[in-house]
Amino acid sequence: DGGITQSPKYLFRKEGQNVTLSCEQNLNHDAMYWYRQDPGQGLRLIYYSQIVNDFQKGDIAEGYSVSREKKESFPLTVTSAQKNPTAFYLCASSAEFLSGANVLTFGAGSRLTVL
Amino acid sequence: GQQVMQIPQYQHVQEGEDFTTYCNSSTTLSNIQWYKQRPGGHPVFLIQLVKSGEVKKQKRLTFQFGEAKKNSSLHITATQTTDVGTYFCAEMDSSYKLIFGSGTRLLVRP
Repeated sequence: DGGITQSPKYLFRKEGQNVTLSCEQNLNHDAMYWYRQDPGQGLRLIYYSQIVNDFQKGDIAEGYSVSREKKESFPLTVTSAQKNPTAFYLCASSAEFLSGANVLTFGAGSRLTVL
Repeated sequence: GQQVMQIPQYQHVQEGEDFTTYCNSSTTLSNIQWYKQRPGGHPVFLIQLVKSGEVKKQKRLTFQFGEAKKNSSLHITATQTTDVGTYFCAEMDSSYKLIFGSGTRLLVRP
């Protein structure tokens, strides 16, 4: 089945540590996205990538970094510079970016807790 | 910047009652999408509206796009416990990024 796989599902981190969240898709989608969700809140865009080897900052990129070396993969690193990293992180993809039909398919999410 | 206002924040209904959530934008929208997130789950795409005044139905769910393309609504008729979750609208900004509303959390009493 086609879809998006995020790992790990749960992650605990000590303050000052960098962590990397994995996102892999086998949908052959061009565009990929990372969103952050805080309890009872909506989704905020961290980074997005329209094509391989290209990515842009979203609304809350500070303290995060990404790479897009392969079409299938879009890992997110939460760095120690992120002041409040505890959140639910959602990866998504869409078939096209510059389209009026940017329908997103989401992964199951990764829940990060900073101890 | 572009903002999406979604109301209400919470709605607690008795099973069988109707439910409506509203989305309002400060700008004219090219289209609007609706997603549902079950408790502990991830958002799942429900529908996209493109045309002014468009109305689409999915079983007990009715989606509307305003005539001026600045607002949208999702109405559920005769709610069931399976409708529990958070409903998000999302609009595309001028850079083709999806901006999500804050969501309406629906709770259904059996």
